[in-house]
Amino acid sequence: EDQVTQSPEALRLQEGESSSLNCSYTVSGLRGLFWYRQDPGKGPEFLFTLYSAGEEKEKERLKATLTKKESFLHITAPKPEDSATYLCAVLLNQAGTALIFGKGTTLSVSS
Amino acid sequence: NAGVTQTPKFQVLKTGQSMTLQCAQDMNHNSMYWYRQDPGMGLRLIYYSASEGTTDKGEVPNGYNVSRLNKREFSLRLESAAPSQTSVYFCASSGGFYNEQFFGPGTRLTVL
Repeated sequence: EDQVTQSPEALRLQEGESSSLNCSYTVSGLRGLFWYRQDPGKGPEFLFTLYSAGEEKEKERLKATLTKKESFLHITAPKPEDSATYLCAVLLNQAGTALIFGKGTTLSVSS
Repeated sequence: NAGVTQTPKFQVLKTGQSMTLQCAQDMNHNSMYWYRQDPGMGLRLIYYSASEGTTDKGEVPNGYNVSRLNKREFSLRLESAAPSQTSVYFCASSGGFYNEQFFGPGTRLTVL
């Protein structure tokens, strides 16, 4: 069965304290991996797409990386406004399938 | 550009009532999707439309129907609402089926 697991479920950081969120997947064939940010009461906001192992993408304090079995979202020197739930989703290399989402990591950054 | 819009934002129904959730996108996207999000369950796909004129079932289609009215609009209908359908519903769209999806603000539905 295709699965996406995110860890930890929740993460509390002090402002400036860097850390990483993990998204591991066991799927039959990966076409792409997506990272989203979701604020309370809002829809997910697209952050990154990664297509192949070794690929990296950056945006401000966020950097996403991909290996053959997992992806990391590295947060460097986070600020309180980075507090949100971060979702990862995988797209299978199989016709007729759509995104499979993990349950998310809720990040809280305090000043 | 409004992106993806959804109406209504909130809705309360009684068991057995019917309603239609509306979704529209102004990005000229080909593919559209309906998800539900429940605590502890993550986002689950209900139905999708890979292109205008086609619709397919996702992971949790029971109790729902969809209509791809045109390229811009994709509606979700609950024919006879049940308390198990209490959830937050998100519509999304993408340029192609394998591209990143962009989400609407959601509809919070409560079925009593």
